Amino acid sequence: AQSVTQLGSHVSVSEGALVLLRCNYSSSVPPYLFWYVQYPNQGLQLLLKYTTGATLVKGINGFEAEFKKSETSFHLTKPSAHMSDAAEYFCAVSDRTGNNRKLIWGLGTSLAVNP
Amino acid sequence: EADIYQTPRYLVIGTGKKITLECSQTMGHDKMYWYQQDPGMELHLIHYSYGVNSTEKGDLSSESTVSRIRTEHFPLTLESARPSHTSQYLCASSVGYEQYFGPGTRLTVT
Repeated sequence: AQSVTQLGSHVSVSEGALVLLRCNYSSSVPPYLFWYVQYPNQGLQLLLKYTTGATLVKGINGFEAEFKKSETSFHLTKPSAHMSDAAEYFCAVSDRTGNNRKLIWGLGTSLAVNP
Repeated sequence: EADIYQTPRYLVIGTGKKITLECSQTMGHDKMYWYQQDPGMELHLIHYSYGVNSTEKGDLSSESTVSRIRTEHFPLTLESARPSHTSQYLCASSVGYEQYFGPGTRLTVT
């Protein structure tokens, strides 16, 4: 069965420091991969996605992620954290079994940014 | 930008009441989803729909029911609310795998 693992339910960084949020997946077929962000009392917003093509994907707010098939990973990075980046981050992969078009979600990582 | 709406945003209601959480999207997406989100963040798919008159239960068993009479509308109903239903409910829609989310309804049952 497909699954998504986000290492670290809570990550804390200093403002200006590198942000690295980890996501690993298991899938028998190459999946589509997504990162979403959720700010307090809001729904989820797409940060970036990988479907095909270039494995380094750039998203909104200066975030990027690299699909590494050999490592079954899709880690999210940002060179310099900003206070406004404090939020919940979810990694998701496409469930490509059948035609259900569902996403399989990680448990989320809460990012805190310290001044 | 996706347009998907949920009402109410916040609801506090007593045990035993019937409630309907509304979700509408203006993008013409065939697929719609309801998630229940724990206070600890985890998302649980409770219902989904692939189109009009098509609904399926999700991965997490839920006492709620849904209907899909119109493409743009996917309401969720609880016939008799209980404190265990207290949670955040998120609605989403998609045309492929990419899902677009509404702002959520935070439900508290007292």
